[in-house]
Amino acid sequence: NFMLTQPPSVSGSPGETITISCTRRSGSIDSKFLQWYRQRPGSSPTTVIFEHYHRPSGVPDRFSGSIDRQSNSASLTISGLRTEDEGDYYCQSYDDNNRGVFGGGTKVTVL
Amino acid sequence: EVQLVESGGGLIQPGRSLRLACAASGFTFDDYSMHWVRQAPGKGLEWVSGLSWNGGVIAYADSVQGRFIISRDNAKNSLFLQMNSLRVGDMAFYFCVKGAGTNLIGEGFHFDNWGQGTLVTVSS
Repeated sequence: NFMLTQPPSVSGSPGETITISCTRRSGSIDSKFLQWYRQRPGSSPTTVIFEHYHRPSGVPDRFSGSIDRQSNSASLTISGLRTEDEGDYYCQSYDDNNRGVFGGGTKVTVL
Repeated sequence: EVQLVESGGGLIQPGRSLRLACAASGFTFDDYSMHWVRQAPGKGLEWVSGLSWNGGVIAYADSVQGRFIISRDNAKNSLFLQMNSLRVGDMAFYFCVKGAGTNLIGEGFHFDNWGQGTLVTVSS
C-alpha cells in the first residue's frame, strides 16, 4: 500500500488562485488514475477531477488537475476562488492490490 | 438519476455483527464496480472494500480484512457489507459508492456517485 499526503488546510480570498497538493510517498504518482473530491459539511463527496485531469460535467473550468512527476505529486488548482468552493478536498487513487487509497483531506477556507 | 440508499446502520456493541445494505437505482447495476467507503465523525474518508461488476474481484482494506464481507446481488440491484467482530474503531458513516467502471481497476476506482451514508455506532 502507499500513502497520499495532503496539507491539512489551504485558504485564499475571493478571486484568488489556490493549489492543493497530493504527494505519493512510494510508487509513481501517475501509475494509477487519481481523483479529487469535494465534500461540503453534511454532504457526501462529489468528484471535481477524475483520471488526473478530467472535469465531470457541471464542474467549472476554474478547477484543474495536474501531475508533477519530479515531486511525485498531483495538484488541484482552483482559480477565481468563490465562497461556494469551501469544503474538504480529498485526493484518491488505488494500489496494486486493487485497494482504494485516500489522502487525509484538505480544508479549503475562503477568507 | 442514480440513487444509492444505505440501510442497516445503528448502535451495536463491540464484538457483535451488523449487515449494511445499499439499494441502487437509476443505472445498470451489474455494469459497475461498487464500494463501501467510511468516515468517522469529523475525520477523513477511508476506503473499506470494493468488488467488480460480477463480484469476481473483491478487495478489502487491511483494517477490515478477515472481519468484513462485501457482496452484491445483481438481480436485486443491491450491495451488502457484512461486518463481524465490530470494534470501536469501526464507528463511522458508511457510504455506498458506485465506481465509474466495471472492474477494480482504472475507472472502476473513480467514485462517481455516493449514497448519503448510514451511521454505525459501536459502543458498549
